[in-house]
Amino acid sequence: DAKTTQPNSMESNEEEPVHLPCNHSTISGTDYIHWYRQLPSQGPEYVIHGLTSNVNNRMASLAIAEDRKSSTLILHRATLRDAAVYYCILSPLEYGNKLVFGAGTILRVKS
Amino acid sequence: ETGVTQTPRHLVMGMTNKKSLKCEQHLGHNAMYWYKQSAKKPLELMFVYNFKEQTENNSVPSRFSPECPNSSHLFLHLHTLQPEDSALYLCASSQEMASGDTQYFGPGTRLTVL
Repeated sequence: DAKTTQPNSMESNEEEPVHLPCNHSTISGTDYIHWYRQLPSQGPEYVIHGLTSNVNNRMASLAIAEDRKSSTLILHRATLRDAAVYYCILSPLEYGNKLVFGAGTILRVKS
Repeated sequence: ETGVTQTPRHLVMGMTNKKSLKCEQHLGHNAMYWYKQSAKKPLELMFVYNFKEQTENNSVPSRFSPECPNSSHLFLHLHTLQPEDSALYLCASSQEMASGDTQYFGPGTRLTVL
């Protein structure tokens, strides 16, 4: 399985931007980079995904390094509702749509 | 209802019981998934169905038996479970099985095996 490395936990202040890093040094050219998050007592929720170019949506931005060996999920203004476990997942083309979840990053947001 | 729903939300069963978990998706998707999330462990993929056909069984013990009668419904039949099977069971769906397709998750069933 294609592996990712994320910090165990991060802390942010409310209303400030948050940059969640992910390393994926063994990524191949056809691997998608997905980000999901899991709020307490809920199922995971899609955040964003990309292949090579940076991506923006209403929830977040995804910045992908030029060599694709790392990426950063950016929450532009953290709110208390963004406190969750954030998962960075590689989805290899040959795997179809199987997601292999790691431990993720626990994001704590302080008011 | 919209999205992915799962029933029941909580289930307590003895080791000799037989029970079933139900998942329904109202998104018109063709692929459905069962995941298991044990305490302090990452989510583990259990089964994948694509157009009602099982395409993945991730070495799951036979005491877990999935069923997909149509693209909207997915069941997980449980029998003679062990206490270590206590976990959050999550269902998900996606439009297709393509690598970039978003998976939409249900809220999960919290299972406790006594």
